[in-house]
Amino acid sequence: SQQGEEDPQALSIQEGENATMNCSYKTSINNLQWYRQNSGRGLVHLILIRSNEREKHSGRLRVTLDTSKKSSSLLITASRAADTASYFCATVVDTNAGKSTFGDGTTLTVKP
Amino acid sequence: DVKVTQSSRYLVKRTGEKVFLECVQDMDHENMFWYRQDPGLGLRLIYFSYDVKMKEKGDIPEGYSVSREKKERFSLILESASTNQTSMYLCASSSGTAFNSPLHFGNGTRLTVT
Repeated sequence: SQQGEEDPQALSIQEGENATMNCSYKTSINNLQWYRQNSGRGLVHLILIRSNEREKHSGRLRVTLDTSKKSSSLLITASRAADTASYFCATVVDTNAGKSTFGDGTTLTVKP
Repeated sequence: DVKVTQSSRYLVKRTGEKVFLECVQDMDHENMFWYRQDPGLGLRLIYFSYDVKMKEKGDIPEGYSVSREKKERFSLILESASTNQTSMYLCASSSGTAFNSPLHFGNGTRLTVT
């Protein structure tokens, strides 16, 4: 199974509402990253949180990390139709190689 | 901005053909990666490279090989394409100390093997 698993698989909200996505992982990590993927495109990096950090902000994005529970959450505030995309968490375990392991993503639909 | 360019957006190949997927990055990144993305399976790492002429197997290298003759170019080779290699292929690059550097992705190549 995947190192990172997102929850829920799909989320549908109205514009202006907040969206929360969760990620759980199995082994100790060096850092955790969130990416966005628009339909038919590559992934775009959103935010990186290191294992010794608990919370990080970037614009309308807020990421938390709980290493004791091996989980992270991504909060998008005041969502817009343009936020419609799939969101993935990726964990880095192997620091020598920097390999990132991805979950299967959460598909977010923001209705105008 | 970093640009990672994959040579084809869509490819249709026949079973048994040798297939080359090309990826070029323009930011002098040391590390390059090939992933495939399938519904329900997420992104899975096929091969990666942290230097010219260096390569490391990822989680699903079987049926694939790679080539990195120049720093900016990382090629994925399907020696004899099979229908179970129909997928979206994503190339990515990152700089220096890879574990704290974000991945920069190309737009993907959707390969269909018939």
